[in-house]
Amino acid sequence: DQQVKQNSPSLRVQEGRISILNCDYTNSMFDYFLWYKKYPAEGPTFLISISSIKDKNEDGRFTVFLNKSAKHLSLHIVPSQPGDSAVYFCAASGKDGSGNTGKLIFGQGTTLQVKP
Amino acid sequence: DAGITQSPRHKVTETGTPVTLRCHQTENHRYMYWYRQDPGHGLRLIHYSYGVKDTDKGEVSDGYSVSRSKTEDFLLTLESATSSQTSVYFCAISETGLAGNYNEQFFGPGTRLTVL
Repeated sequence: DQQVKQNSPSLRVQEGRISILNCDYTNSMFDYFLWYKKYPAEGPTFLISISSIKDKNEDGRFTVFLNKSAKHLSLHIVPSQPGDSAVYFCAASGKDGSGNTGKLIFGQGTTLQVKP
Repeated sequence: DAGITQSPRHKVTETGTPVTLRCHQTENHRYMYWYRQDPGHGLRLIHYSYGVKDTDKGEVSDGYSVSRSKTEDFLLTLESATSSQTSVYFCAISETGLAGNYNEQFFGPGTRLTVL
């Protein structure tokens, strides 16, 4: 059962335009969400996060939006640059059935290609 | 970058042989994690550790064991490797994990394991 889903395996965007990556989750106990970026042959690197008490968090060109009622979050990259081409994973954390927090549940990833 | 190394970086082995992957950190973080990354599945947690000699199972722990005898080292062992364990394995660390205040995880460079 996939608790965190990224339904778009890939996305192609022109340089300078906006990239929008989407993520849906099913567990209403998730209260912290993260985006990671991964280049080939490297480990994922943390990009940006958002707590469930907020609906938006911004860091430079990257903004994450959270819609709790829809159980949906999105990552906006504006403007997109060729160096942004990578795989993007969303991840969620919250209390599981044992009351534990901290474990990350990852989506399948979306490959972003930014064309010059 | 967080000081996390993984060894070996690449390994090819045969079905039925034991394999041990090593994760080493220089950050003195309490929590350490092992994930596997497979197409269509994102990253899935295998095992994690919340202190020396304290470990617990993740969502895909069957066929794997772990040990943590020192803060800086976290070993993942495949007792008898199978072709289904062909994957890319990532180690991660965090300052907090199950303590209620979530902190992002930092990932190592990965180990590509092929089981023939």
